[in-house]
Amino acid sequence: AQSVTQPDIHITVSEGASLELRCNYSYGATPYLFWYVQSPGQGLQLLLKYFSGDTLVQGIKGFEAEFKRSQSSFNLRKPSVHWSDAAEYFCAVASVSGTYKYIFGTGTRLKVLA
Amino acid sequence: GAVVSQHPSRVICKSGTSVKIECRSLDFQATTMFWYRQFPKQSLMLMATSNEGSKATYEQGVEKDKFLINHASLTLSTLTVTSAHPEDSSFYICSARPSEGGGAFFGQGTRLTVV
Repeated sequence: AQSVTQPDIHITVSEGASLELRCNYSYGATPYLFWYVQSPGQGLQLLLKYFSGDTLVQGIKGFEAEFKRSQSSFNLRKPSVHWSDAAEYFCAVASVSGTYKYIFGTGTRLKVLA
Repeated sequence: GAVVSQHPSRVICKSGTSVKIECRSLDFQATTMFWYRQFPKQSLMLMATSNEGSKATYEQGVEKDKFLINHASLTLSTLTVTSAHPEDSSFYICSARPSEGGGAFFGQGTRLTVV
């Protein structure tokens, strides 16, 4: 069955520190991969996506993610976290064909210490 | 970037009444739209896939008669929560995928409170 796992429910980092949010997926083939950010009471904002090609993807707000097929992972990284990055982060996969349904991970809540 | 507008952003209704939520793709056409429900501090759960001009496809466990979905045009899908009850209180989010392909874009969500 298709699934997305975000092992870390909560992560706390100091402002200026580096960040890595983990995402592992289970899928029959290479899916489309996404990272979204959600502020409290808000919708989702797309940070970046991977469809094909270069496995290191650059996104908005200084985020990047690396697709590793051998590890079925798509971890999100940022070299220096800002206080405004505090939010909930969701990893998602979507089927390459057919209905294009998204499956979301359970999310990782990021707290940034001043 | 592409914009998906969801309206209203917040709604409070009385138990037993119906509420309609609109999802519009403002600058692209979307053959397919999706409706999600998000409980507090939880992930998004897909409720249904809305296809323009045809019946929506509901996920297992989602009541079709309670959550009516209409996708009458390439830019508008609506979700109507019928005979709402307090347990229907939740955050509902729509997304729209451009007809030419690529990733889907999400609306800002609707906070429904049934009292």
